[in-house]
Amino acid sequence: DTEVTQTPKHLVMGMTNKKSLKCEQHMGHRAMYWYKQKAKKPPELMFVYSYEKLSINESVPSRFSPECPNSSLLNLHLHALQPEDSALYLCASSQDSLVFNSYEQYFGPGTRLTVT
Amino acid sequence: SQQGEEDPQALSIQEGENATMNCSYKTSINNLQWYRQNSGRGLVHLILIRSNEREKHSGRLRVTLDTSKKSSSLLITASRAADTASYFCALNTGFQKLVFGTGTRLLVSP
Repeated sequence: DTEVTQTPKHLVMGMTNKKSLKCEQHMGHRAMYWYKQKAKKPPELMFVYSYEKLSINESVPSRFSPECPNSSLLNLHLHALQPEDSALYLCASSQDSLVFNSYEQYFGPGTRLTVT
Repeated sequence: SQQGEEDPQALSIQEGENATMNCSYKTSINNLQWYRQNSGRGLVHLILIRSNEREKHSGRLRVTLDTSKKSSSLLITASRAADTASYFCALNTGFQKLVFGTGTRLLVSP
């Protein structure tokens, strides 16, 4: 199984709402990632988890809160978002990397988020 | 910026023609990867080339890497309509971090 699944596919939320994005993989990967992608732009790394521990936070605002409950699951909790946070949120996983090399990443289909 | 710059930004060709897209960068890299993204969907890994490699092939794909010029190219031979997508280079600059290039939008017409 080389699939990364993400739910929901689409999400519309108000600026005062709290919602969560979910990501799951069953490839035995121990590194998982959240990316944000605006229209016609490349994906931008937000967070990296390695062995269920947060290893990289790309200075993401605290209104985005990641969580890795176990090696197969990754959540992104959203609270008090702004309209400019509307984007495609992509989850990915990979084998855990050696210190200075990385493996290919497997991406989910993304959650298209609209903040109203 | 650590981001790779890709050119052309957009490329329109006929089926059967070859498509070449280029990625230039400014930092040192451990490896460089190419990904494809169909409209508004997740990315698919195409090929990884390590910094000590110069060329790799995978099916109709050929990737070259010139670390002295800090550039890479992706060649798709005998293109098909199904190759229509955005293509991104991604730089591995250390640890697990990938920095994606600006992307090339490829349109292959039947």
